[in-house]
Amino acid sequence: GDSVTQMEGPVTLSEEAFLTINCTYTATGYPSLFWYVQYPGEGLQLLLKATKADDKGSNKGFEATYRKETTSFHLEKGSVQVSDSAVYFCALSLNQAGTALIFGKGTTLSVSS
Amino acid sequence: DAGVTQSPTHLIKTRGQQVTLRCSPKSGHDTVSWYQQALGQGPQFIFQYYEEEERQRGNFPDRFSGHQFPNYSSELNVNALLLGDSALYLCASSPGLATETQYFGPGTRLLVL
Repeated sequence: GDSVTQMEGPVTLSEEAFLTINCTYTATGYPSLFWYVQYPGEGLQLLLKATKADDKGSNKGFEATYRKETTSFHLEKGSVQVSDSAVYFCALSLNQAGTALIFGKGTTLSVSS
Repeated sequence: DAGVTQSPTHLIKTRGQQVTLRCSPKSGHDTVSWYQQALGQGPQFIFQYYEEEERQRGNFPDRFSGHQFPNYSSELNVNALLLGDSALYLCASSPGLATETQYFGPGTRLLVL
């Protein structure tokens, strides 16, 4: 079935380090892809999205490119900050009679100063 | 402009009881989705409501039911609670059934004893 696989966490980085969180997907159609972030004690916030192959989503210094050939949507940031510490979720939507999101298990990022 | 609101924030129930959770969508949004997020896991889609009808459903038993009101607010009902129903329940809204970007509320944390 349709699914999302994320790299296992936690990811621990020093401030200003480069971040990559891997995400791959399995889908029967042509999904839209999302990254959501969940800060401690809060709900999910949309970080970025891409709706078709080769699209690049970006927001707050984070980027991810929709790679159909490798079925991937890896999240990157050139220089992380302590305030980026959170749980990051990769998700897909197939937009078939509804827009249910299918999430990965999440990757915890911890950034120290 | 208020975002998605949910009530209550926390709830404790015992096995076999019934529970009702409530959600008010973001202003201008008419589509509401519900997700269950177990501890340390990604959210799992329960169902989606649009025009007061259930439009899409995930792999959850019939003990999970919902309702959408004319003002677009929604309720999630869970009957015959099990220990495994303990989770964070997230409501998300979007402006239209075909709109993939969903905005999440802070969630209701349910503990079943």
